[in-house]
Amino acid sequence: NAGVTQTPKFRILKIGQSMTLQCAQDMNHNYMYWYRQDPGMGLKLIYYSVGAGITDKGEVPNGYNVSRSTTEDFPLRLELAAPSQTSVYFCASSLDHQKQYFGPGTRLTVL
Amino acid sequence: KQEVTQIPAALSVPEGENLVLNCSFTDSAIYNLQWFRQDPGKGLTSLLLIQSSQREQTSGRLNASLDKSSGRSTLYIAASQPGDSATYLCAVQETSGSRLTFGEGTQLTVNP
Repeated sequence: NAGVTQTPKFRILKIGQSMTLQCAQDMNHNYMYWYRQDPGMGLKLIYYSVGAGITDKGEVPNGYNVSRSTTEDFPLRLELAAPSQTSVYFCASSLDHQKQYFGPGTRLTVL
Repeated sequence: KQEVTQIPAALSVPEGENLVLNCSFTDSAIYNLQWFRQDPGKGLTSLLLIQSSQREQTSGRLNASLDKSSGRSTLYIAASQPGDSATYLCAVQETSGSRLTFGEGTQLTVNP
């Protein structure tokens, strides 16, 4: 099993550009999550999903959108990138909504 | 609002030393508490998960304890090794299915 995979690993965006961060898992987990981690800080939940077709906002959803058309994939969309969205983004999945398995992260810089 | 604090923010110890990392949370009504390890440039790896009804969990050289009433958890690492160098984060889940609230982490360096 590859576990949780994320692409790209690094990305630089200009202010106002848009992009999609990809996340996929091959463990047949129903629960999937997107977090952001700012330097020296803990992780904050952006969006999560309890299954295909079902998504909900986390603690810091503004400026982001998600979709969950399949169990495996959970992409995160940034529509109008802002410097405040410079961060490291982690995707995670869980079988039981408790123990979470994390991807390697995407480091995003918005200039 | 639940807040999770980890002290110290950074810790440097010589190899072989036993050490304790601390985590405190403001609302004692939690469902579980988890300890994670994060290596530079990598994602998080779950180390131990303690249910609210448990007092401790052990895995190899790691032992995590939970005292809900005082809002504290500790992660004990025995006979530390340079390979233990990483950032350790704790996170609490307040109810079944709720989001995790993370602390800011303790950056551990074990010197050979």
